[in-house]
Amino acid sequence: GAVVSQHPSRVICKSGTSVKIECRSLDFQATTMFWYRQFPKKSLMLMATSNEGSKATYEQGVEKDKFLINHASLTLSTLTVTSAHPEDSSFYICSAPAGGKRSVTEAFFGQGTRLTVV
Amino acid sequence: GNSVTQMEGPVTLSEEAFLTINCTYTATGYPSLFWYVQYPGEGLQLLLKATKADDKGSNKGFEATYRKETTSFHLEKGSVQVSDSAVHFCALRNSGNTPLVFGKGTRLSVIA
Repeated sequence: GAVVSQHPSRVICKSGTSVKIECRSLDFQATTMFWYRQFPKKSLMLMATSNEGSKATYEQGVEKDKFLINHASLTLSTLTVTSAHPEDSSFYICSAPAGGKRSVTEAFFGQGTRLTVV
Repeated sequence: GNSVTQMEGPVTLSEEAFLTINCTYTATGYPSLFWYVQYPGEGLQLLLKATKADDKGSNKGFEATYRKETTSFHLEKGSVQVSDSAVHFCALRNSGNTPLVFGKGTRLSVIA
């Protein structure tokens, strides 16, 4: 079946540095990628929606200059956490609708990235 | 707007016990409904889904029926196993390339 591959699965970085998270669709074209953030013991909060070849749409309260999203190709979307701070520590997950006949029902998730900023 | 409400956990059960996790939703139109499961340290996996009223989704012994009249999609399993221990999320999605809307998740712990 379709797979969304997310890397890295775990990263520890120092305050002030930037971290890039990649999500690749392995056997389908992901024209849209959703980026979620999950706080400990909380649900997933949608951060932004990226569309291939256009600017990402950010949810209210999400700083677009801090969370840079790039969707340069149909198989790759990236989220860069810039100038990371400890409060950015979280679990980040990407998700792509399968598209085609399954667009109404299917959404595939990456494995998630646990970011720890020290 | 769309929203999902599910029972708060944690839920702790003994092996082979009956499980129910309640989920209700508010949505415009006719959404598809899902249950996702998240094992410790991992991403989300689709457990089951239903796309229209009265549909029953089932997988690995879990079942949920799309009840339009009560706007519910309760998750049930007749006999839970230790391996079912995870966080379970109820979610909905309207048609098109729209994101999933999740409930807060229910942590299930099954003890031997």
